[in-house]
Amino acid sequence: GAVVSQHPSWVICKSGTSVKIECRSLDFQATTMFWYRQFPKQSLMLMATSNEGSKATYEQGVEKDKFLINHASLTLSTLTVTSAHPEDSSFYICSAIGTGGLSYEQYFGPGTRLTVT
Amino acid sequence: SQKIEQNSEALNIQEGKTATLTCNYTNYSPAYLQWYRQDPGRGPVFLLLIRENEKEKRKERLKVTFDTTLKQSLFHITASQPADSATYLCALAAYGNNRLAFGKGNQVVVIP
Repeated sequence: GAVVSQHPSWVICKSGTSVKIECRSLDFQATTMFWYRQFPKQSLMLMATSNEGSKATYEQGVEKDKFLINHASLTLSTLTVTSAHPEDSSFYICSAIGTGGLSYEQYFGPGTRLTVT
Repeated sequence: SQKIEQNSEALNIQEGKTATLTCNYTNYSPAYLQWYRQDPGRGPVFLLLIRENEKEKRKERLKVTFDTTLKQSLFHITASQPADSATYLCALAAYGNNRLAFGKGNQVVVIP
């Protein structure tokens, strides 16, 4: 149980284009999903917290107009990187926690490798 | 400033021995601390959670300790196996808050 998928697993795009990454909880309902970014040999950096049916909460320094997050249902959150630049190339990972009170375990997706050329 | 520090050097250990990893933090008052395993190119996998009022937690061959006075957690893998080779991340969260702050991780290499 508690499986989270991401799609695509990797994507290459040209500078200036937009890319959408999907995060799905496959066998549970996720009231909250998180989006992280990880550069090589660095820690996971939380970008934003996404709650179903409401606006995402972004961490300090993360541009909300550049990284658009939509949590339209209890099983799906999307991250759109708009007007991508080479410095946006990174490993993007989502995680989810389930319904039923304050749950502490986060279930992570397999990640999406974004390369902007 | 807030810091979560894990050893940047890989831990090379002989199969069957106990691997011990350290997570030190400053300027945090975490309600709980978690340990995750991450394989290359993959998302982290949850291993253990320990709350601030708990001293020790065990799960199979894994043991975690939490010393809020020292601001330190130790993570032990007993009877280590080559399949345990991975990077291990510690993460902290505050009260009433699911947002996790991660350390950079510590790589473990178990030598057969």
